[in-house]
Amino acid sequence: DQQVKQNSPSLSVQEGRISILNCDYTNSMFDYFLWYKKYPAEGPTFLISISSIKDKNEDGRFTVFLNKSAKHLSLHIVPSQPGDSAVYFCAARGNYGGATNKLIFGTGTLLAVQP
Amino acid sequence: EPEVTQTPSHQVTQMGQEVILRCVPISNHLYFYWYRQILGQKVEFLVSFYNNEISEKSEIFDDQFSVERPDGSNFTLKIRSTKLEDSAMYFCASRWDRGTGDTQYFGPGTRLTVL
Repeated sequence: DQQVKQNSPSLSVQEGRISILNCDYTNSMFDYFLWYKKYPAEGPTFLISISSIKDKNEDGRFTVFLNKSAKHLSLHIVPSQPGDSAVYFCAARGNYGGATNKLIFGTGTLLAVQP
Repeated sequence: EPEVTQTPSHQVTQMGQEVILRCVPISNHLYFYWYRQILGQKVEFLVSFYNNEISEKSEIFDDQFSVERPDGSNFTLKIRSTKLEDSAMYFCASRWDRGTGDTQYFGPGTRLTVL
């Protein structure tokens, strides 16, 4: 089941530069997307989300862009800081109605921000 | 800031034994979830729970698994007879729904090791 894909397993950027993490999805039923950050031995921490009715959402240093026609979203972090080093997961929620709204996760991208 | 808590942080058990993983969701949340992450793999949905019943479960969530909300605060995952392949990080999540745009908040996880 590869409905949500993060094709870059790792990314290395210099402190102060922009980090761009990418995510692709295949299911047109997805209507809400989230990015989570995860440190080893901890749970995923919510970062930012975007509804499918929008194409951009910004929160401080984090911006998520959604291109519905391409079924692609990206997370921009600017400026990148060493504390941003972690695994970033893209997740999608399907609009199936009902009481579930389970999340489908990508495989994650390990971001390393070099001082 | 309210957070999801999980106990224990690490559980070691023998194959065939029963384990109970415990979670305390955020207090005003209405929807509860269990996910797991096998080492090196993606985070996978197990089950969702709403209004004191399972709303959806994945193929992984077979008859060996059960969930319960025994009181107003705890949410538990029971594995009746553990197998080696149940070794994973188990994450509890919760959310509070007021229309679209919900976010699931995750606990720190329980590392289950089956020997």
